[in-house]
Amino acid sequence: EVQLVESGGDLVKPGGSLRLSCAASGFPFSHTYMGWVRQTPGKGLEWVGRITATRDGATTDYAAPVKGRFTISRDDSKNMLFLQMNTLKNEDTAVYYCTTEVWFRADVWGQGATVIVSS
Amino acid sequence: QSALTQPPSASGSPGQSVTISCTGTSSDVGGYHYVSWYQQHPGKAPKLMIYEVSKRPSGVPDRFSGSKSGNTASLTVSGLQAEDEADYYCSSYAGSNKFSVFGAGTKVTVL
Repeated sequence: EVQLVESGGDLVKPGGSLRLSCAASGFPFSHTYMGWVRQTPGKGLEWVGRITATRDGATTDYAAPVKGRFTISRDDSKNMLFLQMNTLKNEDTAVYYCTTEVWFRADVWGQGATVIVSS
Repeated sequence: QSALTQPPSASGSPGQSVTISCTGTSSDVGGYHYVSWYQQHPGKAPKLMIYEVSKRPSGVPDRFSGSKSGNTASLTVSGLQAEDEADYYCSSYAGSNKFSVFGAGTKVTVL
């Protein structure tokens, strides 16, 4: 069964950092492009960024609001995806979903990790 | 403000059809064949229902269909069933600068 399970969501103060993890199973993770999508009550779904497969260079792309603050990485030996979030802002408060990304669509979604940025 | 425009709500009686529109620009919906639709039930993660404008992933009923004309994509749910009541979001590739953009979502109510 294809499965994505996020962890690491928490309450963090503005300016703080947080790392989300996503454990993948049931598919060839190392060959799969992966992404993060977030959802806020006010703005709906928002694409955060993606990382290509390692064989394609594990290159990353980010949405403008998070570029320079968020970093996506992967550990193919452990089938893990990560989202390092630095200099967090109130507007980063959201549920963060780990997804597989195939030709600019999110095929499989995790259950989500809640991040609350508040003082 | 979302990049793609969807009506906030739509409704239909069981067995009827409902169509949801998703309007973008020539830089996203109109410029690429990478339009997707997602279904989300309350408290659940979104689920891919349509990709590349009109293709259905394995397991998605053929009651769900997608199309595109110019800068507007559409999702039609035929033969509405109670379990189709959910929020539906459209998404489109928007080029190598923006990548993916979403609509604000449409709440479908089965009357």
